[in-house]
Amino acid sequence: AQTVTQSQPEMSVQEAETVTLSCTYDTSENNYYLFWYKQPPSRQMILVIRQEAYKQQNATENRFSVNFQKAAKSFSLKISDSQLGDTAMYFCAFMKRGPNAGKSTFGDGTTLTVKP
Amino acid sequence: KAGVTQTPRYLIKTRGQQVTLSCSPISGHRSVSWYQQTPGQGLQFLFEYFSETQRNKGNFPGRFSGRQFSNSRSEMNVSTLELGDSALYLCASSIRTGENTEAFFGQGTRLTVV
Repeated sequence: AQTVTQSQPEMSVQEAETVTLSCTYDTSENNYYLFWYKQPPSRQMILVIRQEAYKQQNATENRFSVNFQKAAKSFSLKISDSQLGDTAMYFCAFMKRGPNAGKSTFGDGTTLTVKP
Repeated sequence: KAGVTQTPRYLIKTRGQQVTLSCSPISGHRSVSWYQQTPGQGLQFLFEYFSETQRNKGNFPGRFSGRQFSNSRSEMNVSTLELGDSALYLCASSIRTGENTEAFFGQGTRLTVV
């Protein structure tokens, strides 16, 4: 079974600054995906960024980037130039790769507040 | 393109009753997954349906069941409701072909059991 741990229940950052959210996971699988999702107060979960475990290059999506350390089973999210609209709960998630792999395991989430 | 639609948005039920929640995926998406979100347990996977077949199942009692129709719409049923079933139930759809794994979530159904 897979587990995902987010050790920071809450974080805050000043607008325009950079913040890093931590995530570690445990799995015996070698092929998998890792995701960061954002859930704003409106509660609709939105995919922020995705990383394939077989790719060494860290994924980047505009102001969002990850630091993927496969050996250490670490997957942190860096948000640059934080904006007020980034205020939300962020979830790290793991999904096994394969034709029948449809289950995602989520961490407990990190509530991020961006302050003006 | 319409997103994932969950109905109803809010629901209040009494202990012992049963409830059915509905999820309409994005057009063309064949995979529908259900999750339960509570403050204490976080996001817990319930089950996934693909082409009308349950393909994955989480660790929930048999009171939780689901199905998927030929148009990919999915329903989730909870029988003999308990207070602990109060939660936000999220549905996610994806194409689930090849490497395309992105899941799109609905806004959820907030179930309150009294």
